[in-house]
Order: sequence, then C-alpha cells, then structure tokens
Amino acid sequence: DQQVKQNSPSLSVQEGRISILNCDYTNSMFDYFLWYKKYPAEGPTFLISISSIKDKNEDGRFTVFLNKSAKHLSLHIVPSQPGDSAVYFCAASRAPNSGGSNYKLTFGKGTLLTVNP
Amino acid sequence: DTAVSQTPKYLVTQMGNDKSIKCEQNLGHDTMYWYKQDSKKFLKIMFSYNNKELIINETVPNRFSPKSPDKAHLNLHINSLELGDSAVYFCASSHRKVEQYFGPGTRLTVT
Repeated sequence: DQQVKQNSPSLSVQEGRISILNCDYTNSMFDYFLWYKKYPAEGPTFLISISSIKDKNEDGRFTVFLNKSAKHLSLHIVPSQPGDSAVYFCAASRAPNSGGSNYKLTFGKGTLLTVNP
Repeated sequence: DTAVSQTPKYLVTQMGNDKSIKCEQNLGHDTMYWYKQDSKKFLKIMFSYNNKELIINETVPNRFSPKSPDKAHLNLHINSLELGDSAVYFCASSHRKVEQYFGPGTRLTVT
C-alpha cells in the first residue's frame, strides 16, 4: 500500500528552465512533507520541508507547494542547473506521539531529474 | 568531518552468515534510524531509537537486531543472512525535528 506516490519515474529539463516534481499521498493524517535529493552511491540529502498547516515554503531556488485538498505536493526548482541532476524523493510523516521526537518517514519511489546543459 | 557515517560501505557475504553494520553521528542528535532501500528502490523505515530506547520497530524479521550503545551510535546486526536481505541500508539521525540526515548507505549483497 503506497501512501506516497511519485508517478513520474523521470523528468528531463533544460538548464535555466523550471523543474517541477510531483508527489501524491493518500494518508490525510500526514503532518509534514519533505523533499530529498539523492546522488548515486550517496545517502539522501534533505532539501526542504513543509508543514501541513502551510501551502508554500521557499528556500532559494527550491519551493514546495502543498495542496491538501488534492493530497498533492510539488517541488519547483528555478532555475534548474546541471548539478541538480539526481533522484528526488518525496517523503511524509505524522507528528510523533506527545513528548516524542522520532518521525517515521514514508517515502515515494523517487523521480530521476536530468538537467541538460 | 562526516555528520552521519556508516561502515562498511560495501558488504558481500554468503547466506547463513551473521554480519553487522555500524552507524555513528556527530551532530548531537537524540534520535537515530535504520532504513532499507530494496531492489524496487523504496526506502522503508526499519527501526528508530531515541536516547538509546527503541521507539519504532517495523515489521522486520527477528534476525535483525539494532543496538544503541550510546546516543551517537546505532548498529544493525543481522543473523542468518538470506538472499532477500540484499539491499542498501541507510542510517539517519534527527533532533526534535522532522528533518532526518542520512548516512552514505551500506550496500549488502548476500550470495
């Protein structure tokens, strides 16, 4: 049962253009959503997160949009650079039980982004 | 100065053997995790420890046993290895926030 889905296995864009990566989820109890970037033979690197009480969060070239009614989020990268070429994972989590600090991340399958010079 | 480190990076072993993967974080975080990335590329949580206490234990065979000697270390011991255990295992840590920081991964191959 995939609670977090990334339906596009790959995306190719030109350098300087916008990259839009999409993610859908089924569990309405998720409180947080995150995006990770992963290069081959490395661990996932945290990029940006958003709380379910917000609909947008921006950090430099990266912006995450959350549409709770559609259970959909997207990551926008503007402008795209060749170094952005990587696999991007969407993840979601509920808040931990009261007093806890452990978050169980549920990941999508990832989207391979290729930015062409 | 690596934030989350794992050893070894590659591990090739035969079925039936027992092996361990070590993880250390120097971020001062209070929570550590083990994730498994299988052949279908899904990253799935296995365990979570908070201040050396087991908090999350997903449906993982008893052959997998995490051990946390202190807050900075979380090791994964696997008994009687099976072919299906072949995967990349990632350690991660966090501190009172949802953002988790991952190690470089250990690719385990069981032959």
